[in-house]
Amino acid sequence: DGGITQSPKYLFRKEGQNVTLSCEQNLNHDAMYWYRQDPGQGLRLIYYSQIVNDFQKGDIAEGYSVSREKKESFPLTVTSAQKNPTAFYLCASNSGNRVGQPQHFGDGTRLSIL
Amino acid sequence: SQQGEEDPQALSIQEGENATMNCSYKTSINNLQWYRQNSGRGLVHLILIRSNEREKHSGRLRVTLDTSKKSSSLLITASRAADTASYFCATVGGAQKLVFGQGTRLTINP
Repeated sequence: DGGITQSPKYLFRKEGQNVTLSCEQNLNHDAMYWYRQDPGQGLRLIYYSQIVNDFQKGDIAEGYSVSREKKESFPLTVTSAQKNPTAFYLCASNSGNRVGQPQHFGDGTRLSIL
Repeated sequence: SQQGEEDPQALSIQEGENATMNCSYKTSINNLQWYRQNSGRGLVHLILIRSNEREKHSGRLRVTLDTSKKSSSLLITASRAADTASYFCATVGGAQKLVFGQGTRLTINP
């Protein structure tokens, strides 16, 4: 069954700690995306990658970092520089070969501060 | 930056009734997409309408697009309890990025 897997489902961060959220897809998609969703709000783009070993900042990249070493994987690190990290994080992907293709989403990671 | 704005922010109707949600946006678009999000889950793509299309149907869903007014509407006919979710519009400009609205929370009462 093809899809996007995000882990963990729930994550807690201590003060000054970096945490990494995992996103893996087996859809053979070239493009992957990370979004942040705050309660009752829409999605805001953090980072995206259209090809392996390349990624671009989205609208709210400060305090976050990513890597794209494999096509299947696009981990997101929430660094200690992100002062308000509590949110629901969603990973998505699409084939990226045409502008504006629908995105497939994982089921998210909920990050909270201890 | 948030471009789409959904209206209303919340909608509660009886099962069997039709639900209409609206989306307005600010800049020119390549296409507009509607997504559904069940509580605590990821988004699921429902329907895509291109800038040169005016109306599109998919099962009980009907989407309209008025590029002169920069607005779209999503109609769900004969609503069911399982339609309870948040619905988001997302616009696509010249790049691969989707820009999401803040969503409409739809509650279907049995």
